[in-house]
Amino acid sequence: GAGVSQTPSNKVTEKGKYVELRCDPISGHTALYWYRQSLGQGPEFLIYFQGTGAADDSGLPNDRFFAVRPEGSVSTLKIQRTERGDSAVYLCASSLSLAGEQFFGPGTRLTVL
Amino acid sequence: GIQVEQSPPDLILQEGANSTLRCNFSDSVNNLQWFHQNPWGQLINLFYIPSGTKQNGRLSATTVATERYSLLYISSSQTTDSGVYFCAVATNSGYSTLTFGKGTMLLVSP
Repeated sequence: GAGVSQTPSNKVTEKGKYVELRCDPISGHTALYWYRQSLGQGPEFLIYFQGTGAADDSGLPNDRFFAVRPEGSVSTLKIQRTERGDSAVYLCASSLSLAGEQFFGPGTRLTVL
Repeated sequence: GIQVEQSPPDLILQEGANSTLRCNFSDSVNNLQWFHQNPWGQLINLFYIPSGTKQNGRLSATTVATERYSLLYISSSQTTDSGVYFCAVATNSGYSTLTFGKGTMLLVSP
């Protein structure tokens, strides 16, 4: 079956704008994770969903960041009032169960001018 | 939180050579994964190996959970093996969110 997909692949926006990044997990995977990767670094955890609820959002850097997963499948990461420091690759991963193997999407490269 | 250290940070090999990448971690884990990040940024799953030994073609991995380290072996390296190799772990507490090491940048020259 299909892997994790993310759209858009690239997003360029201006400082202060609002952006939405979408993640389609592998069908049947109940666990969904968002990570962020800055240049030269490993990915860093942002938020985890089990089903529809955010079980752990301790990695979100501030209240400009928010994510939803209303039907327990597709998730959207929302960033308000974007700043240049938000520029990074945003990665989504899903797994069949807690502690299961995580599979990553291709990422969305966000550039804030 | 858990600390993950990978070594070496950089590695240059001639095609055909073998190599060993190491991952040390500071706490008990219930998930350990090795990834290869290709030049387009895609994280490719190599091994899901919280303990034990696995092999897949020219690659193999061993995790000694009691001593808190994992090794990734690459044999007969090819130019297509170039890229960044990440080790990522999740602890027994929490929600299995992965903590990544800084990676090993591998360059295999022809």
